[in-house]
Amino acid sequence: DAGVTQSPTHLIKTRGQQVTLRCSPKSGHDTVSWYQQALGQGPQFIFQYYEEEERQRGNFPDRFSGHQFPNYSSELNVNALLLGDSALYLCASSLDGSYEQYFGPGTRLTVT
Amino acid sequence: QQPVQSPQAVILREGEDAVINCSSSKALYSVHWYRQKHGEAPVFLMILLKGGEQKGHEKISASFNEKKQQSSLYLTASQLSYSGTYFCGTTVGNEKLTFGTGTRLTIIP
Repeated sequence: DAGVTQSPTHLIKTRGQQVTLRCSPKSGHDTVSWYQQALGQGPQFIFQYYEEEERQRGNFPDRFSGHQFPNYSSELNVNALLLGDSALYLCASSLDGSYEQYFGPGTRLTVT
Repeated sequence: QQPVQSPQAVILREGEDAVINCSSSKALYSVHWYRQKHGEAPVFLMILLKGGEQKGHEKISASFNEKKQQSSLYLTASQLSYSGTYFCGTTVGNEKLTFGTGTRLTIIP
């Protein structure tokens, strides 16, 4: 049973560029949440997708957007990258109605 | 409002016990506990819903004091594999999961 997978593992971008991160949820899960984790900090909630719609959103600017596909996989897009966007981006999947979230290994984004 | 964890870091010898606390200023609906090893994804440990429920498996257990908006994670007879950073995550109603700043636990032989 495949767990949550994310791609790419690492990414280096320049300020002002745009980036797309991808996530495939654990088999049987229909809900995907995205988190940003800065070094030494806890994960911060970006948004959650269910039934291809953004269901909840944290305190992140509109530069952060997402999408969920019919197969429940998801993308996180960040436009106009800033140095402060450098972080580990985690995707977590769950089954709607369940509180247990399973995290993927993350994508380490470095903005130079 | 981000939950506050204490202590920020703790070093134990193998076999010793540890308690990690998580406090919130808001009325909590649930508390989630995760462990994250360096360079890895957070791993779900357990969830506690309001009602003062206590859960546990093997030598890791947790309690939730709804009146005080506090949760504690208990690690008994710690093993080397328990090393990592422990995060509590809290929800208020159906709102998003908000993580604390973490407690770094180091177990030495």
